[in-house]
Amino acid sequence: QVQLQESGPGLVKPSETLSLICTVSGGSIGEYYWSWIRQPPGKGLEWIGYVYYTESTNYNPSLKSRVTASVDTPKNQFSLKMTSVTAADTAVYYCARWNRRAVGGIDYWGQGTLVTVSS
Amino acid sequence: DIQMTQSPSSLSASVGDRVTITCRASRTISTYVNWYQQKPGKAPKLLIYAASSLQSGVSSRFGGSGSGTEFTLTISSLQPEDFAIYYCQQSYSTPLTFGGGTKVEIK
Repeated sequence: QVQLQESGPGLVKPSETLSLICTVSGGSIGEYYWSWIRQPPGKGLEWIGYVYYTESTNYNPSLKSRVTASVDTPKNQFSLKMTSVTAADTAVYYCARWNRRAVGGIDYWGQGTLVTVSS
Repeated sequence: DIQMTQSPSSLSASVGDRVTITCRASRTISTYVNWYQQKPGKAPKLLIYAASSLQSGVSSRFGGSGSGTEFTLTISSLQPEDFAIYYCQQSYSTPLTFGGGTKVEIK
């Protein structure tokens, strides 16, 4: 059974960089689109972007200038960095597996981690 | 970006009711629609993919239909564990986008 687990600071100061890591267990990184999705408190879901196992990336244009995703295949991890954060970036951040080829949907999600942007 | 518009935004229903949620895409997306269920404090769970395919392990009381721009999620007989928020999502093109959600509450 594939499991994903986010890790990283729960509190980030305004203008600083948010950094999260997602550890994948029970399966390999290969041939999936490893995604980051966020959900502000009480609001809907926003796709941030993905990193493919080949290290190619694709980001939401609304966040593209501030976001970098990367993958570490030997460690079965992928990560997200978001620069110049503001209070508007406060959200639960999910890492997830977009099973684009076989299913088309996002079939595995981490439990989510709340990141609060505040001084 | 492809906009996904869900309706209604909320509904009240009783156990045993048949419930229908609609999602409309801003342009044609074939059958590249997925449906998720989210309960409080939990990650979304994939229910339906490719508009009408039931994800493994999901109850058969969930069904999906549609193509092009109009899609429907149906719960044939609402159960107590089905009270949650439901989201549609398009995977036709990036950026992936979600509908605003439909909250299903107990009447």
